[in-house]
Amino acid sequence: GAGVSQSPSNKVTEKGKDVELRCDPISGHTALYWYRQRLGQGLEFLIYFQGNSAPDKSGLPSDRFSAERTGESVSTLTIQRTQQEDSAVYLCASSEALGVPYEQYFGPGTRLTVT
Amino acid sequence: AQSVTQPDIHITVSEGASLELRCNYSYGATPYLFWYVQSPGQGLQLLLKYFSGDTLVQGIKGFEAEFKRSQSSFNLRKPSVHWSDAAEYFCAVGLSGSARQLTFGSGTQLTVLP
Repeated sequence: GAGVSQSPSNKVTEKGKDVELRCDPISGHTALYWYRQRLGQGLEFLIYFQGNSAPDKSGLPSDRFSAERTGESVSTLTIQRTQQEDSAVYLCASSEALGVPYEQYFGPGTRLTVT
Repeated sequence: AQSVTQPDIHITVSEGASLELRCNYSYGATPYLFWYVQSPGQGLQLLLKYFSGDTLVQGIKGFEAEFKRSQSSFNLRKPSVHWSDAAEYFCAVGLSGSARQLTFGSGTQLTVLP
């Protein structure tokens, strides 16, 4: 079946603009995760969803970041008033249930460049 | 807080040579341990995972990893590297029953020479 897909694959935006990143998880996966990967660094956790609920938003780096999930499917990560330090690859993952040991399947990511 | 250290930022090996990528974790209990591989333009792919039991785990693509509790390590190995193994490798830890994220190391970039 289809894996996790993300769109757009690349996004270049001007500082101060808002951007929306989309994630389509594997069908039937109830858990969904967002990570950020800065150049040369490991993955930084941002937020997870169980169904449509995000119980813990403490991983979001600032209040400019928000995320939602609808229909226990698609999720969007929104960054308002983008800053240059937001430039990174944003990765989405899904799993059939929440937490370890359920395997997280990753999408190819969205490369965001803020100029 | 748990942490993962991959001390080697970049490793270069010749095709056919053996490979060992190091991973150390810091955590009070035995976490669940993972190795992922990321090829250019691709998402992360799970190579193998350790939950319990036999400390030597086999994964895909001929990789294996050994959990050593005394050293808090989970090193990835492959006896003979292929050019297609060139990629970035990430070690990650997770907590049993935790709803939260995996914690990733900063990655090791592998270059394979012909």
